[in-house]
Amino acid sequence: DSGVTQTPKHLITATGQRVTLRCSPRSGDLSVYWYQQSLDQGLQFLIQYYNGEERAKGNILERFSAQQFPDLHSELNLSSLELGDSALYFCASSPRDRWPAFFGQGTRLTVV
Amino acid sequence: EDQVTQSPEALRLQEGESSSLNCSYTVSGLRGLFWYRQDPGKGPEFLFTLYSAGEEKEKERLKATLTKKESFLHITAPKPEDSATYLCAVSATGNQFYFGTGTSLTVIP
Repeated sequence: DSGVTQTPKHLITATGQRVTLRCSPRSGDLSVYWYQQSLDQGLQFLIQYYNGEERAKGNILERFSAQQFPDLHSELNLSSLELGDSALYFCASSPRDRWPAFFGQGTRLTVV
Repeated sequence: EDQVTQSPEALRLQEGESSSLNCSYTVSGLRGLFWYRQDPGKGPEFLFTLYSAGEEKEKERLKATLTKKESFLHITAPKPEDSATYLCAVSATGNQFYFGTGTSLTVIP
């Protein structure tokens, strides 16, 4: 158990809908990272937050947004969902602003 | 363009048959190179971080090395429980963090 908690574990929704994925980092970790993993693309970096501030941005679509709250948990919002958004979404945390040390178990999103 | 390439894509070994996985990278301003293990349906598990050419790290049957252009993950006398996908990642200037697509390792008893 990495100490990073992601909810829900599975999510099935229809195209055009909006969903929110939640991540609770390890106790004391200030950095939260979000990744998308699909079969054909591997792990794609979406966005990183450090102590509530956006720190780095990867290939995150405009339909996606994220935030980190004062209690350090983070949410990834995905809107206007398309079939191609079906993937595993991972959250990772780390104590500092260096690299994603601890990954959660992921949220499997299926868009139908 | 920043890039991380892993080879081979898949590797099947007999138990006890040592081998190496390769990770080559082209990034501007390398800040670190990282190896992770990922089991099916689970999140990646951190294994090693390497920061400079010539550096080596070991953990049980795994040993990671780093040169200026690539890293190797050496697996000595692997066991079936070493079967997993091994991911390489690099941290570059601008806080960018890139993963390779991984090597799927299967160790046959």
